[in-house]
Order: sequence, then C-alpha cells, then structure tokens
Amino acid sequence: AQSVTQLDSQVPVFEEAPVELRCNYSSSVSVYLFWYVQYPNQGLQLLLKYLSGSTLVKGINGFEAEFNKSQTSFHLRKPSVHISDTAEYFCAVSSTGANNLFFGTGTRLTVIP
Amino acid sequence: EAGVVQSPRYKIIEKKQPVAFWCNPISGHNTLYWYRQNLGQGPELLIRYENEEAVDDSQLPKDRFSAERLKGVDSTLKIQPAELGDSAVYLCASSLEGDRFGYTFGSGTRLTVV
Repeated sequence: AQSVTQLDSQVPVFEEAPVELRCNYSSSVSVYLFWYVQYPNQGLQLLLKYLSGSTLVKGINGFEAEFNKSQTSFHLRKPSVHISDTAEYFCAVSSTGANNLFFGTGTRLTVIP
Repeated sequence: EAGVVQSPRYKIIEKKQPVAFWCNPISGHNTLYWYRQNLGQGPELLIRYENEEAVDDSQLPKDRFSAERLKGVDSTLKIQPAELGDSAVYLCASSLEGDRFGYTFGSGTRLTVV
C-alpha cells in the first residue's frame, strides 16, 4: 500500500520569494510521483511527474521537484513565486503496477503581495 | 479539444434524497475515474472503468453509491439516499487505456447535503 504525507497544510510566502512544499511517501514497491495544482473551483492540473531517470524534474509554471529515494521525499520548489501561484497543491503517488493515484491532504500556498 | 466535462457544477439536496452526477471524458480516453474530495483532503478513488467495465470499485460504498458507464463513454455516479457525510466534491478524470500518467480531471461537482 502507498501513502503520502504533506507536512504543511498552509504555506504563506511573500511574492518573489522562494518556496518549498514538502512531500513524503511510503511504499513497499517502486513508485511514480506527481504534483498537482488545484485553483479555486477547478479540477486538478498536473504540474510535474517523476517516472524514472533524472531525480530533478522540471514542470510547468517554473516549478521543479526532486526525488530523493533514501529520504522517500518529493519536495516541490519554485525560486520566485507569483500571486497567481496561490492555490492548493497535492502530492500523489502511484505504484508501478497500479493505475490509481493516492493523494496527500494538500498544501495551501498563499502568496502575499 | 474539450476537456473532461462534468455536470452539474453545484448541487444542494436534502438528506435521504437521491442525486446523480454526469461525466463526459475526453474523446478516445478509455479509462475513466471517479474520485471524491472531502473538504481539506486529497481526492480518493471511488471507481475506475476500463471502457464499460468497472475494474476497481473496492472503495465505492455499494450500499448507497452506484455508477455506470454504458457504451464506454459517458458515466453517471449516483447516490441514493444521500447522507450528510456525502457532502464533498466529486471529480471525474479520464486517461488513455494504460496511461496512468496522463490523467485529465474535470472541474468537479460540489455536493452539499443539508
């Protein structure tokens, strides 16, 4: 079974400052990892995904994440945030033999002008 | 290309009443998912279809929830009777068969049971 822990439920950050949203997972098998963003009253949009290969993954809107197998983490980062990045961010995991995604509880990023 | 279309966007019903949600996936997407997202939580899978076959419904509360995907395209999720705890956002997603990396989510239906 897989599970995902997002340690921070809310992260406030000033505009143009860097941000890191933390995600840890647990799984007994190899996994694929994802970050999704959800804007108010909208569905989830894929930001980036780790399947294999380079542990540093670049996504849309300037976000990137690094897969760390030893620490079972997949933290999301952005060097300089914009007001438009205010949203809910979800980390998700899927085992290599499954089709379903298991989501964390989400982190609400609020960018302060 | 139209995305995953869900309707209605919002629904308010009294407890013990029935309710249904509709989903139209992206054209050509064989796999369809229904997720439930409780307030302050991440989405949780209810049921997954491959074409018209429900291949994973282990998390669907079958005493009151039902789903169908006739002809392997549109899908309907029904609750009868609804309970207060069913208040949530119901998300539909679709992907090409076997492509679990290419989910596309709809905007969801926000259900409020009063």
